Amino acid sequence: TQLLEQSPQFLSIQEGENLTVYCNSSSVFSSLQWYRQEPGEGPVLLVTVVTGGEVKKLKRLTFQFGDARKDSSLHITAAQPGDTGLYLCAGPNSNFGNEKLTFGTGTRLTIIP
Amino acid sequence: SAVISQKPSRDICQRGTSLTIQCQVDSQVTMMFWYRQQPGQSLTLIATANQGSEATYESGFVIDKFPISRPNLTFSTLTVSNMSPEDSSIYLCSVWAGVSYEQYFGPGTRLTVT
Repeated sequence: TQLLEQSPQFLSIQEGENLTVYCNSSSVFSSLQWYRQEPGEGPVLLVTVVTGGEVKKLKRLTFQFGDARKDSSLHITAAQPGDTGLYLCAGPNSNFGNEKLTFGTGTRLTIIP
Repeated sequence: SAVISQKPSRDICQRGTSLTIQCQVDSQVTMMFWYRQQPGQSLTLIATANQGSEATYESGFVIDKFPISRPNLTFSTLTVSNMSPEDSSIYLCSVWAGVSYEQYFGPGTRLTVT
């Protein structure tokens, strides 16, 4: 079974600070996705990283896929209250077919104004 | 992208009863998924629903407890049967976007069983 462990599990920081969230596995993934889920909503896709070492930027969010495609990180610069939410990484589950996803354990981020 | 709606958005049900959750998509999709998200937790896949065939259930989930229908390419239902307080969760449907394994999610149904 492919597992995705996220750290930290909870993170609460002041507005304007920087932070990094990690997603780690002992398995190789062909790609990894990052979702953000706000209270009362379903997860919303932020980005997909496909190539080992790939870096993608989405405004103040920077996503990196590890060289070995076993891990990924999300860095937020100058966090804002609107960044508050549950961040989930996810990858295709090769055990069952490409369409199914394994979700990480999640990082609950709170930005304090 | 696909727009997905779910009904009901939330419900409070008594132990032993059943609830059917509806998932409607604004376009035709091949694969739909049903997830459970227990309080404060990540997502766990319940089953995959393909039109015209029986749903495929993940380990730990059975058809008698979570029957699923997929009558056409834009609609699916999940029933939570003989509910107990342990079934209190958010139930989410999603669809496969068709590229890079990405999925679009509905807003979820928050179920509380008393």
